Amino acid sequence: AQKITQTQPGMFVQEKEAVTLDCTYDTSDPSYGLFWYKQPSSGEMIFLIYQGSYDQQNATEGRYSLNFQKARKSANLVISASQLGDSAMYFCAMREGSSGGYNKLIFGAGTRLAVHP
Amino acid sequence: KAGVTQTPRYLIKTRGQQVTLSCSPISGHRSVSWYQQTPGQGLQFLFEYFSETQRNKGNFPGRFSGRQFSNSRSEMNVSTLELGDSALYLCASSLGTGVYTQYFGPGTRLTVL
Repeated sequence: AQKITQTQPGMFVQEKEAVTLDCTYDTSDPSYGLFWYKQPSSGEMIFLIYQGSYDQQNATEGRYSLNFQKARKSANLVISASQLGDSAMYFCAMREGSSGGYNKLIFGAGTRLAVHP
Repeated sequence: KAGVTQTPRYLIKTRGQQVTLSCSPISGHRSVSWYQQTPGQGLQFLFEYFSETQRNKGNFPGRFSGRQFSNSRSEMNVSTLELGDSALYLCASSLGTGVYTQYFGPGTRLTVL
């Protein structure tokens, strides 16, 4: 069965430093998509970055990049130059391609990131 | 472009009552999905609607139901509320189904007393 594992319940980083949030996934489907979302204390889930299983290059979106290692089934999020506003919960999620084109996302347990000044 | 909106933002109900939550997707988005978030179970998929049809359903009892209207707005209903239904209910919309990114609303926080 498909599964997302985030092994870091909490992380902290100094402002302006880079931080890596870990995510491993398990699926037997060759076609899938991986997502990272940020959830501040307000509750809204904010889309950060997407990586498709067939994408040859690692995805980047501003200060966010996804370190995609397909053979190891990992999709780590790298945040460069952390800012105080980056303090939030971060969720890794997967959508399987063979689910008939549906939008079901499987989420990990999340990592709470605290950015210290 | 306006984001996904959900109403109400907060709701307090008592056991046995029923509740209806509403979600308006981003303009032009035709797919709406619902998720339940609790401290114990995390984020779990409830169901997805596309073109007024339920496309997929998560592992929830029949007390949880939903529908989608012709303007893509969606509602979800929970009947005979239980204490365990207390959660943040998140709605997400996307252009279509399958390959599109889902964008989430601010959620409705339901408390069942």
